[in-house]
Amino acid sequence: AQKVTQAQTEISVVEKEDVTLDCVYETRDTTYYLFWYKQPPSGELVFLIRRNSFDEQNEISGRYSWNFQKSTSSFNFTITASQVVDSAVYFCALSEAGYSTLTFGKGTMLLVSP
Amino acid sequence: DADVTQTPRNRITKTGKRIMLECSQTKGHDRMYWYRQDPGLGLRLIYYSFDVKDINKGEISDGYSVSRQAQAKFSLSLESAIPNQTALYFCATSDPIYYEQYFGPGTRLTVT
Repeated sequence: AQKVTQAQTEISVVEKEDVTLDCVYETRDTTYYLFWYKQPPSGELVFLIRRNSFDEQNEISGRYSWNFQKSTSSFNFTITASQVVDSAVYFCALSEAGYSTLTFGKGTMLLVSP
Repeated sequence: DADVTQTPRNRITKTGKRIMLECSQTKGHDRMYWYRQDPGLGLRLIYYSFDVKDINKGEISDGYSVSRQAQAKFSLSLESAIPNQTALYFCATSDPIYYEQYFGPGTRLTVT
């Protein structure tokens, strides 16, 4: 069975600080996909990134970066120089190839104060 | 226009009432999903459908039913609503190759 753990329930930072959101996953499949979604206070779910299990390259998109490490079954998300607009709940999710259903972690609420 | 729409966006209903939540998508995807979000629990899968003739139960299907009326439409019903079904409900559709899911705006349901 697949499982996603986001151990950090809530994180509070001050604007311009860097922050890392942790995600640890469990799966028996060798082929799978990992995702991060953002849910701002308005409630919609915003797709941030998809990573497949064969691609361990880290990715950077502006202030966002992701560190995928199969050896530790982790897919961590770092926001550099955080901003108030980054305040949201962030979800990590896993999909095993061939199934397409997502298993979500419980989410990490990030609060960035000015 | 949004790719995935949900109606209603908010609904308050009483215990025992039947209610239907509707979802439509213009992505042209075959795969559609219903999730439920509760505070601190993340999103949990209720039902999913890989095409019009295919319906599958998810993690928490008890108390719910679905109907796939067309490729673009997937409805979720609560036959007899109860207060612990108060939650935020999301419909989604997925890319058939990369499994990326596109979510609707959500329906906030309150059962009193």
